Amino acid sequence: KNEVEQSPQNLTAQEGEFITINCSYSVGISALHWLQQHPGGGIVSLFMLSSGKKKHGRLIATINIQEKHSSLHITASHPRDSAVYICAVISNFGNEKLTFGTGTRLTIIP
Amino acid sequence: GAGVSQSPRYKVAKRGQDVALRCDPISGHVSLFWYQQALGQGPEFLTYFQNEAQLDKSGLPSDRFFAERPEGSVSTLKIQRTQQEDSAVYLCASSFTQREETQYFGPGTRLLVL
Repeated sequence: KNEVEQSPQNLTAQEGEFITINCSYSVGISALHWLQQHPGGGIVSLFMLSSGKKKHGRLIATINIQEKHSSLHITASHPRDSAVYICAVISNFGNEKLTFGTGTRLTIIP
Repeated sequence: GAGVSQSPRYKVAKRGQDVALRCDPISGHVSLFWYQQALGQGPEFLTYFQNEAQLDKSGLPSDRFFAERPEGSVSTLKIQRTQQEDSAVYLCASSFTQREETQYFGPGTRLLVL
């Protein structure tokens, strides 16, 4: 079993829909990242969380440390939101390396 | 620019050839990471430097993989005697320091071994 699991693997939605992507992890963490990867490979960090909730524009990320679960929400989704969204964690132990989920491929249809 | 840069962006190698991939981190960033991303998969950790010290190389898949960061800035990932299974995107990321700092990713080097 992977240390970081994401669901769904693929998500297709109509423009304007509210999107939720889930991430569950099995290790103790010091931080969790949500990353966005567009075709061609570039990865951009969206959020880094260790507790609670963060909001940036139409993106909201929440984390529940007790339940080892995080969600990424996109409000009023737009075709330009189409990308792969990756959850990654930094373990409490060892160095600052990221352990990644396999990603959620989001496609927003106009 | 001020971001992480990697070169080359694309590399095609014949099986058995040695390759060298370069990463220029953001100036002043202490931590540098190499990750490998196979097609359709999430990235996986290869190795980690703090300044010039390679503190963790547990993710390197074989002794054909070697990484260095001799002056604590630019890093090179070298793959000797490349195999087809080495085909992947190799991502470099850097962060200032501390565990909870954002990691900034380069565009990656896409390696194809024929």
